[in-house]
Order: sequence, then structure tokens, then C-alpha cells
Amino acid sequence: ETGVTQTPRHLVMGMTNKKSLKCEQHLGHNAMYWYKQSAKKPLELMFVYNFKEQTENNSVPSRFSPECPNSSHLFLHLHTLQPEDSALYLCASSQEGAWTEAFFGQGTRLTVV
Amino acid sequence: DAKTTQPTSMDCAEGRAANLPCNHSTISGNEYVYWYRQIHSQGPQYIIHGLKNNETNEMASLIITEDRKSSTLILPHATLRDTAVYYCIVSSISNFGNEKLTFGTGTRLTIIP
Repeated sequence: ETGVTQTPRHLVMGMTNKKSLKCEQHLGHNAMYWYKQSAKKPLELMFVYNFKEQTENNSVPSRFSPECPNSSHLFLHLHTLQPEDSALYLCASSQEGAWTEAFFGQGTRLTVV
Repeated sequence: DAKTTQPTSMDCAEGRAANLPCNHSTISGNEYVYWYRQIHSQGPQYIIHGLKNNETNEMASLIITEDRKSSTLILPHATLRDTAVYYCIVSSISNFGNEKLTFGTGTRLTIIP
């Protein structure tokens, strides 16, 4: 238990569906991250939020839409995904600033059919 | 971002010390070396980090060479639960002032009974 909780753990969705991934942390952290881990590829940083403000978007397609309503919650809204978007989506949090450890959730295993 | 190079895979006998090397020859003066591991189907877990000096915690030791171009993670008494992919990461600061963890492909460590 890392203190970062992701739901759901598994999700199967069609290409025309809309779904959302949820991440929650009660560690008092003010930076939150979405990563994508595809099969046989390194983790890719998608988005960074600091104090609820998006501070980084690593050229992620617009079919992925993040939302951070407060420092404890982070969402990833999904719509019209492609089969190649199937991956493990990981949320992480850390204390804002440099040189601190990041705590990761267990991830959501997403399959797009 | 400084790039890291790690062996693709390693084996270690249970109870022995596991020594995982990492090269980061382009590291700059204010970049830290982080180690994370990822056990199958889980999110990455922080192990240790350091700048110049050797570091030790309850999980592992980190030995950084004097020129900082390489480091070694040491798991002093490996157990079967240490089987995982180990990532050596050089942390950098993005244009927005966030710390960035850029994951590579890591070393797959297998502990042999």
C-alpha cells in the first residue's frame, strides 16, 4: 500500500466509449503524474500537475484529457481510444519540488477493443 | 536529460548480494540518481537516491563513483521477493520546475532459489 489508489484496476472499453480513470492520494503531496506503460516499452510520462495546475503535457493526444480538481485527486478522461492505447496507466504523486521520491499507484490495466 | 545504460537482465542467488550497475556518463552537476523497481503488474517502488555521496537505507545501498558517471545499487541479501525490473534514473528539472523521472528499460533481476 503506497498511499496512492487507482480505480478501476482493470478496464475494457470499446473505441467509441467514454471512460475515466481515477487516482487518489492522501499523502499531502501537491504534485501528481500520469504515466503510460505499454508492453515492452519504458514508462512514458504523460501529464504533470502541480498544485492542481497542469505544468506538463508530453504531446499526449487529445483523446486523453486529464483533470485535477484538487491536490488529492487526479482523473484521466478517455474517449475514442484506439487499440494501441491499451496499456497500464499509472498515477504517481510527490511533494512539489525537486529530489523527492514519487509514490506510484498499482495502475489501471486498460484494454481497448 | 541524462541517459542511463543498464544491463538488460541479471541473475543472483538467493541470500547473496545483488549488485546492479548503471552508467550515466552525461549526468550534470545538479542531477540526482534515483533507483526504482517494478514488481510484475505493480507500480514502480522507490528504493533510494543520491547525488554524490554513497547512500544506505533499509532496502539498499547506492554507490556513486567519484566522477558520478556510474553507480551501483546493492541489495545486500537478496530474497525471492526482490525479483523485479530495476530502473536507474537520472532526475532532471523540466522547464516548469518539476522534477522529471524518465524511465528507461531497466534491468530485469531474477533471484534464483
